[in-house]
Amino acid sequence: DTGVSQDPRHKITKRGQNVTFRCDPISEHNRLYWYRQTLGQGPEFLTYFQNEAQLEKSRLLSDRFSAERPKGSFSTLEIQRTEQGDSAMYLCASSSQGAETQYFGPGTRLLVL
Amino acid sequence: AQSVSQHNHHVILSEAASLELGCNYSYGGTVNLFWYVQYPGQHLQLLLKYFSGDPLVKGIKGFEAEFIKSKFSFNLRKPSVQWSDTAEYFCAVNYGGTSYGKLTFGQGTILTVHP
Repeated sequence: DTGVSQDPRHKITKRGQNVTFRCDPISEHNRLYWYRQTLGQGPEFLTYFQNEAQLEKSRLLSDRFSAERPKGSFSTLEIQRTEQGDSAMYLCASSSQGAETQYFGPGTRLLVL
Repeated sequence: AQSVSQHNHHVILSEAASLELGCNYSYGGTVNLFWYVQYPGQHLQLLLKYFSGDPLVKGIKGFEAEFIKSKFSFNLRKPSVQWSDTAEYFCAVNYGGTSYGKLTFGQGTILTVHP
């Protein structure tokens, strides 16, 4: 068990550019979650996968955001046409079905200039 | 709307003082309750959780929390804090029990412990 990993850890981009983040969950965890955290706030739910199926999406997830988990293992979160308001920490978590304890990765900090 | 409220944004204590951090949640149905901690420079870690059974749950590092269903509360306590407890603490709720995946977090409480 090597924990949840995320890549990159930091990303600086210019407004209007596309960015993609990757999350590798704990092996054999079939549930994977994305959250966003801004300064002074707790994490906010974005979306959730069970295996490769995306089961729930938050209203926070605009059309510019898309997430995939094609083989039920790692996941990617893409933000198209980034805006300054997208600057935040993007957190990934995983859990095994039935256990419901989510284990978090270190996050990807995005800064949009 | 489902929401979680943490009463204190920043708590400052001296070592050996007792700690209680408040957490209240909306909704009266089945919930799973969590406290997560984020130490400086580290990622979120589970401190303790409540799913069912004894409403007084014990976690790591001497922390405990009490689930009071009638008050929709899940307050975190520690009898004697240490400097190493300096961190940000988040209360989180999974609404709908195990049927739903997402956690709803409070805004966090920063705890600063002076030696």
